[in-house]
Amino acid sequence: EAEVAQSPRYKITEKSQAVAFWCDPISGHATLYWYRQILGQGPELLVQFQDESVVDDSQLPKDRFSAERLKGVDSTLKIQPAELGDSAMYLCASSLSGTSGNNEQFFGPGTRLTVL
Amino acid sequence: AQSVTQLDSQVPVFEEAPVELRCNYSSSVSVYLFWYVQYPNQGLQLLLKYLSGSTLVKGINGFEAEFNKSQTSFHLRKPSVHISDTAEYFCAVSPTGFQKLVFGTGTRLLVSP
Repeated sequence: EAEVAQSPRYKITEKSQAVAFWCDPISGHATLYWYRQILGQGPELLVQFQDESVVDDSQLPKDRFSAERLKGVDSTLKIQPAELGDSAMYLCASSLSGTSGNNEQFFGPGTRLTVL
Repeated sequence: AQSVTQLDSQVPVFEEAPVELRCNYSSSVSVYLFWYVQYPNQGLQLLLKYLSGSTLVKGINGFEAEFNKSQTSFHLRKPSVHISDTAEYFCAVSPTGFQKLVFGTGTRLLVSP
């Protein structure tokens, strides 16, 4: 069964360091999402790609976060510099392109980031 | 803008008992509604969704939910829970025509023997 892959699964870093997360969506899925899930809260959308283009990054802290999907397939989310408040689970999801309801978002296992 | 309220942060229940997890939403436009389940240290899995049509939606693992437009609710139910249902459950909405999901804060279902 096709799955969304994410790496690493766990990351511990010190504040002010740079971190990067990788996501490989299900083959053929044009839409890719990055969510941040703070402990005890629901996921919050950080950025959404349609192929290689960003369609929504309104909640992405652009002073320190960046995301790219250069070839419209896999994607990287970077934080530089990391802050204590960035400790969270970072989830990647993908879906076929189209209208929202008919396109289920499939989630990866997530990367749990701890900033010390 | 849309918002989702899950009033119960935790619901304890005994095995084989029925359970209802509550979800209320707020939106000025039509929305699609979803329930996701998250097991420890895993991603989210779709349980069921409401797009249109019948207000009673059946999902995986014996779960069902009922859309009530007048009360802006989408409560999740299961007639008999199992130990393996212990997990975090998230209600989410998406404005029709868009793909963005807005999640509630989640309800932790704790099933004990």
